[in-house]
Amino acid sequence: QVQVVQSGAEVKKPGASVRVSCKASGHIFDTYGFTWVRQAPGQGLEWMGWISFNNGDTNYAPRLQDRVTMTTDTSPGTVYMELRSLRSDDTAVYYCARRVCDAISCYDDHWGQGTLVIVSS
Amino acid sequence: SSELTQDPAVSVALGQTVRVTCQGDSLRNFYANWYQQKPGQAPVLVIYGKNNRPSGIPDRFSGSSSGNTASLTITGAQAEDEADYYCNSRGPVFGTGTKVTVL
Repeated sequence: QVQVVQSGAEVKKPGASVRVSCKASGHIFDTYGFTWVRQAPGQGLEWMGWISFNNGDTNYAPRLQDRVTMTTDTSPGTVYMELRSLRSDDTAVYYCARRVCDAISCYDDHWGQGTLVIVSS
Repeated sequence: SSELTQDPAVSVALGQTVRVTCQGDSLRNFYANWYQQKPGQAPVLVIYGKNNRPSGIPDRFSGSSSGNTASLTITGAQAEDEADYYCNSRGPVFGTGTKVTVL
């Protein structure tokens, strides 16, 4: 079984940065990496990007790529997502999900519990 | 275009069949994945690849694809299937989401 656990809620002021951590444990040998997704209040899912465990390759959403950085840690199965220059419309629940790729598709099969980030002055 | 378009809402009578569709150019080349999200909860993968269900997902959920359209079918919908459903393909975007109401 796989578990994905994220860090706790954050409250930040506009212009600040936030870093959210995500750790997968259990049967994770087939993990490709992590996808990050966010969901503003009452809105749909927004894809933010993903990071590969193998070589640290990243792929960011164009509208976020100048403010977001995803990194891996030496602690196995741990990744971080940093978002800079926060604005009020960055207020959302941030999810990480374990990404698995087989011969024909990639998918996000285990999701963290979500991390609420509130940006407010 | 990488956009994926879904109907905003559909309803189904208890025990009947409902189809949720997702349209987008990327679906001509890649299979869709489907995620179920209930209020206040994280999304859950229900269908991936050609038509695969993760462990624990009931077999009343199935997926199919034709051209630029992918479909999620719930055969014999249950009250607990009431949720938002999002599609996603290999591309960097989620569908707009469909709220499924079970009457």
